[in-house]
Amino acid sequence: DAKTTQPNSMESNEEEPVHLPCNHSTISGTDYIHWYRQLPSQGPEYVIHGLTSNVNNRMASLAIAEDRKSSTLILHRATLRDAAVYYCILSAKGTASKLTFGTGTRLQVTL
Amino acid sequence: ETGVTQSPTHLIKTRGQQVTLRCSSQSGHNTVSWYQQALGQGPQFIFQYYREEENGRGNFPPRFSGLQFPNYSSELNVNALELDDSALYLCASSRNGRIDLTDTQYFGPGTRLTVL
Repeated sequence: DAKTTQPNSMESNEEEPVHLPCNHSTISGTDYIHWYRQLPSQGPEYVIHGLTSNVNNRMASLAIAEDRKSSTLILHRATLRDAAVYYCILSAKGTASKLTFGTGTRLQVTL
Repeated sequence: ETGVTQSPTHLIKTRGQQVTLRCSSQSGHNTVSWYQQALGQGPQFIFQYYREEENGRGNFPPRFSGLQFPNYSSELNVNALELDDSALYLCASSRNGRIDLTDTQYFGPGTRLTVL
């Protein structure tokens, strides 16, 4: 699987937008981009996924660069409950349920 | 809809022993994947079961084995425990791991295994 690069940690103030970057310069044309997050003392939780176009759901938005070598997870209004480790993961065709996690970005949200 | 459950929540074993961890998949899911998460690391894929058959394996030795039952629940067995096996073991179920190109994983809370 192609590798991803994420900052180790980021901080945000509550109620402000958060942009979590991910670089994946070796992504192939059929790799999907997935984001999961892991809250303290819990298993990972699906956030969003995409292939080429930007995606929105009730939790977040995913902005994918035109060359697909990077993407950004956008939390529109961070809350304290969004403090977690966020993982950006690529999956080749048919491997979406065999994920290769990196070390992710630890997001801290403060009042 | 019941989520993914795992048992036990915590377990302490000694080196050389064997352990069995259990996972109940979410209703309607036929695929179960197991992951190992060491402290401070992301989860690492151990193996996956699809309709009672192994459907992919990560870089783990044969002493890590598993089963999936007709109701799609699953077990992870680890023989000859080593100190490095101390970790959080996560189970994830998904709707159809073999066919769905973007099969979303639903994770359980994990079993914390400590090997002394």
